[in-house]
Amino acid sequence: AQSVAQPEDQVNVAEGNPLTVKCTYSVSGNPYLFWYVQYPNRGLQFLLKYITGDNLVKGSYGFEAEFNKSQTSFHLKKPSALVSDSALYFCAVRDRPRDDKIIFGKGTRLHILP
Amino acid sequence: EAGVAQSPRYKIIEKRQSVAFWCNPISGHATLYWYQQILGQGPKLLIQFQNNGVVDDSQLPKDRFSAERLKGVDSTLKIQPAKLEDSAVYLCASSLSRAGEQYFGPGTRLTVT
Repeated sequence: AQSVAQPEDQVNVAEGNPLTVKCTYSVSGNPYLFWYVQYPNRGLQFLLKYITGDNLVKGSYGFEAEFNKSQTSFHLKKPSALVSDSALYFCAVRDRPRDDKIIFGKGTRLHILP
Repeated sequence: EAGVAQSPRYKIIEKRQSVAFWCNPISGHATLYWYQQILGQGPKLLIQFQNNGVVDDSQLPKDRFSAERLKGVDSTLKIQPAKLEDSAVYLCASSLSRAGEQYFGPGTRLTVT
């Protein structure tokens, strides 16, 4: 069965600095990988996904993520953090094609300090 | 484009009562999901529909939870009877296909007292 881990409950970054939110996964086949963001009192929003192809995926709001098959990781990154990036971030994985179920990580709270 | 609609936004009930949630997905989205999100945790998939058929309900507590998606459009999730541990946010999401990104509704916050 697939699983996903977000090892950090919280990440603090100064505004303007680069940020990384970590995600590792385990699947028996090839993964579909997703990042979602949840702002206070709002629903989850899709940021980006990896299906196949280029290992570096670019998404919304200047975020990007790198798929690393050997390390089974899909870390979320941004070159320069904004205070408005403060939110709860979820990594999710689907083991394709044998399992349609999508599994979400427990989330990482990102605090951008002014 | 209208997003995923859910109602009600908030619900407070006593244990052993029943409750129902409604979801209207984005037009044309064949796949519909119901999730349970307990405070401090990631969303947990309860049930996934492809059109009006169930693709996965392995994590749905079938002794008390039920869901349907008649006509392959909107969906209802019911809990009967509710327990204290059912207190959570219930999220509905939809996607064009099983592999596609999901679009989430605002959720229904359920409090069971």
